[in-house]
Amino acid sequence: GESVGLHLPTLSVQEGDNSIINCAYSNSASDYFIWYKQESGKGPQFIIDIRSNMDKRQGQRVTVLLNKTVKHLSLQIAATQPGDSAVYFCAETPGTASKLTFGTGTRLQVTL
Amino acid sequence: SQTIHQWPATLVQPVGSPLSLECTVEGTSNPNLYWYRQAAGRGLQLLFYSVGIGQISSEVPQNLSASRPQDRQFILSSKKLLLSDSGFYLCAWSVGTRVGNTIYFGEGSWLTVV
Repeated sequence: GESVGLHLPTLSVQEGDNSIINCAYSNSASDYFIWYKQESGKGPQFIIDIRSNMDKRQGQRVTVLLNKTVKHLSLQIAATQPGDSAVYFCAETPGTASKLTFGTGTRLQVTL
Repeated sequence: SQTIHQWPATLVQPVGSPLSLECTVEGTSNPNLYWYRQAAGRGLQLLFYSVGIGQISSEVPQNLSASRPQDRQFILSSKKLLLSDSGFYLCAWSVGTRVGNTIYFGEGSWLTVV
């Protein structure tokens, strides 16, 4: 099937290095944010989320940082692995899940 | 644990033909259900969502319709497909509509209208 990320910004990272993927949002009322990972030809997979009352949240090898002042969200992946290669995109909502707005995504390429 | 199934995974349909994509969720009751479309190089566009049986909200005017005949079943349909209906369709679910309720996606269905 056709790739859904043909013309996305791309981040190339060497295996073992840390990756930082950024996302800017525009709705100052957004108070819940999610990062998804989407591998080629598959549905998006939930990675980590954060509420607006937090600045940082850590998961397994991933950390999400939220800067509400400048409306910026980032996803940090520690010790990037080949299996991390995918399109990553953020989502935000000022309220209910039905109001989630998704970014267009960043392609992460892990080089050996 | 909850799982979501969506089928068919891939289909090629002629212009003017009908469409039916099905989605079921297991392991939860009364989920909120969603249909999204994803175009190449673009984010996800919400097409329909449902908070209960027979309750469908449409987000964008289009050639498609949705139905929820059972609590955990969501169907995306069209009577006559257009070329512009081609794309990657994703079914998704969430526990509820409160803030902090994550949306979880199925594996998607590739539709090519020829």
